[in-house]
Amino acid sequence: QVQLVESGGDVVQPGRSLRLSCTASGIIFGDYAMHWVRQAPGKGLEWVAIIWFDGTIKYYGDSVRGRFTISRDNSKNTLSLQMNDVRAEDTALYFCASGLPNYEGYFLDFWGQGTLVTVSS
Amino acid sequence: DIQMTQSPSFVSASVGDRVTITCRASQGVKNWLAWYQVKPGKAPRLLIYAASSLQSGVPSRFSGSGYGTDFSLTISSLRPEDFATYYCQQATSFPFTFGPGTKVEI
Repeated sequence: QVQLVESGGDVVQPGRSLRLSCTASGIIFGDYAMHWVRQAPGKGLEWVAIIWFDGTIKYYGDSVRGRFTISRDNSKNTLSLQMNDVRAEDTALYFCASGLPNYEGYFLDFWGQGTLVTVSS
Repeated sequence: DIQMTQSPSFVSASVGDRVTITCRASQGVKNWLAWYQVKPGKAPRLLIYAASSLQSGVPSRFSGSGYGTDFSLTISSLRPEDFATYYCQQATSFPFTFGPGTKVEI
């Protein structure tokens, strides 16, 4: 079955960098658009970024644009999120999710369990 | 950006109840609207996509409707496993946005 496993979450100081990863199995990874979504403690879901199946196109949420970079390595079935200049408000559980193929990948089909990022001095 | 609102924020219901949650977009999203179920400690689950299409494996007691700016998710007969928080999401323009969520509780 499809499995998405996030890793890389940690406690990081404001202004520093962190890199999250998501490893996929059970799907032909290179066929799917992929997303990052986050959920701050006690808050709702916030869409973070999308990357096209081939990595050519990327879009970001307003609060992370210019600081975060989404990327993928289809040869390793891996999705990444490079987080630079992190802020306290980036503290959240970060999920990766695959896009539903029939609709440009814009709906989030399979999700991982998330990795926790805490930004604190 | 397209803003999504949901009502109510909380629903207090019992097993067997019919529950309807509404979602409104600040501008038209056609049918580019999905519904997700989120439970603590579990991966979120796609329930409905394209406003009214039931995702594979999702029980038929879940249904979605709407077009443009107004949408709804209905659970025809609540089961114990349905107590969760539900979010709508628009996928018509970037950045994608979620509604604030509706918590269905006992």
